[in-house]
Amino acid sequence: AQSVTQPDIHITVSEGASLELRCNYSYGATPYLFWYVQSPGQGLQLLLKYFSGDTLVQGIKGFEAEFKRSQSSFNLRKPSVHWSDAAEYFCAVGEGGGGADGLTFGKGTHLIIQP
Amino acid sequence: EPEVTQTPSHQVTQMGQEVILRCVPISNHLYFYWYRQILGQKVEFLVSFYNNEISEKSEIFDDQFSVERPDGSNFTLKIRSTKLEDSAMYFCASSNAEQYFGPGTRLTVT
Repeated sequence: AQSVTQPDIHITVSEGASLELRCNYSYGATPYLFWYVQSPGQGLQLLLKYFSGDTLVQGIKGFEAEFKRSQSSFNLRKPSVHWSDAAEYFCAVGEGGGGADGLTFGKGTHLIIQP
Repeated sequence: EPEVTQTPSHQVTQMGQEVILRCVPISNHLYFYWYRQILGQKVEFLVSFYNNEISEKSEIFDDQFSVERPDGSNFTLKIRSTKLEDSAMYFCASSNAEQYFGPGTRLTVT
C-alpha cells in the first residue's frame, strides 16, 4: 500500500527566507506526486505535480519540487516566502496521473511565516 | 478558470439523519471523487466514480455511503443514518489528469 510521510508538523520561516518542506513516499511503481496547499477554511489548491520526465517541476506561486527516486522524496521548495504563503501544505501520491485512483495524502505541514 | 463547486458550505444535522452533499465538477472532466478531512487530520480518500459507476472505494466507504451522478452536471454523496464521527469536511474533486478540489462542505453531526 502506498503511503506519504511529511515529517515536519510545523515549520516557522521568516518572511523572505527560503523554504523546504519534506515529503517521503512509499510506493512500488513509479509514483505520481502532488503538492497541494490549503489556506484556513479553504479547499485544496494544486501547487504542482510530477508525472514523468524532468525531475524538477515548477508550480504556481513560485514553488518548485524535486523528485528523487533514490531517496523516495518529493520536497517542496521556494526561494523566498511571503506572508501569504502561511497555510497547510499536503503532499500526495497517486497510482495514476489521471484516472480513478484516489490520492493518498500526508498529514500535512503547517507553515508559519514570521515577520 | 473553471472550478469545482460544492453546496452547501456548511451542513448541520442530527445523528441518525440522512444528508446529501452536492458537487458540480469541472464540466469536461471524466473522473469524480469524494474525500473527507476530520478536523486536524489528513485528507482521506472515500470513493472515485467514472462512467457512471464506482471505480474505487476505500474501507471508509461502507454501506452508509452512496454516490450518484443524477444528471450531467451534479455529483452527490449521500450519508445515511449519520453518526457523530461523520463530522468532517467533505471535499469533492474531479480530473482528467491531476485532481482539482472543491472548497468543501463542513458537515457537523450533533
